[in-house]
Amino acid sequence: SAVISQKPSRDICQRGTSLTIQCQVDSQVTMMFWYRQQPGQSLTLIATANQGSEATYESGFVIDKFPISRPNLTFSTLTVSNMSPEDSSIYLCSVEGGGARKGARHGYTFGSGTRLTVV
Amino acid sequence: SQQGEEDPQALSIQEGENATMNCSYKTSINNLQWYRQNSGRGLVHLILIRSNEREKHSGRLRVTLDTSKKSSSLLITASRAADTASYFCATDASGGYNKLIFGAGTRLAVHP
Repeated sequence: SAVISQKPSRDICQRGTSLTIQCQVDSQVTMMFWYRQQPGQSLTLIATANQGSEATYESGFVIDKFPISRPNLTFSTLTVSNMSPEDSSIYLCSVEGGGARKGARHGYTFGSGTRLTVV
Repeated sequence: SQQGEEDPQALSIQEGENATMNCSYKTSINNLQWYRQNSGRGLVHLILIRSNEREKHSGRLRVTLDTSKKSSSLLITASRAADTASYFCATDASGGYNKLIFGAGTRLAVHP
């Protein structure tokens, strides 16, 4: 399966600032997914990032708050902008299948997560 | 948005006992997947069951799928302390959506 390197693993940030989270995949993938996991909760999809096009955001998430870049088929960033304590969560990136291997029959691979605390 | 509910929300058992977790979902699916998460870190894929399958095994894991009831169950047999984690079901919806929607999760504690 694919291997994802996600950085940073954790950060403590001041309210009003921004944090950019990076995910690097060891193989080329068409789509990358960004999730938020609020404390004690399940994962909620923020957006789907395709290379060469605008990310597709889920209901309740907007580009101004969570801008995403996807400069190539192995890399993506998610920025959490103008942070407030309510943004304190774990943020995870994910890719489908075994990286270059087609389809969800192999499951999805997740980064190790970024634990963000906003103070 | 959440796909559905999982129950129980929390489960506490002794080593050697079996653990059963249930998941319900709302939409038509291509497949349903189960994941494990240790201590709020990244998720690990456990098993995938397709919409045309009813039961699947992998080691000590057994998954069932009932598409008429839109529900699935995960059974972990002969549990170990190392199985302590949160378990999530996730559905890959049909209709070309190509994304995972997660259930609420079950926190499993296995005591030595």
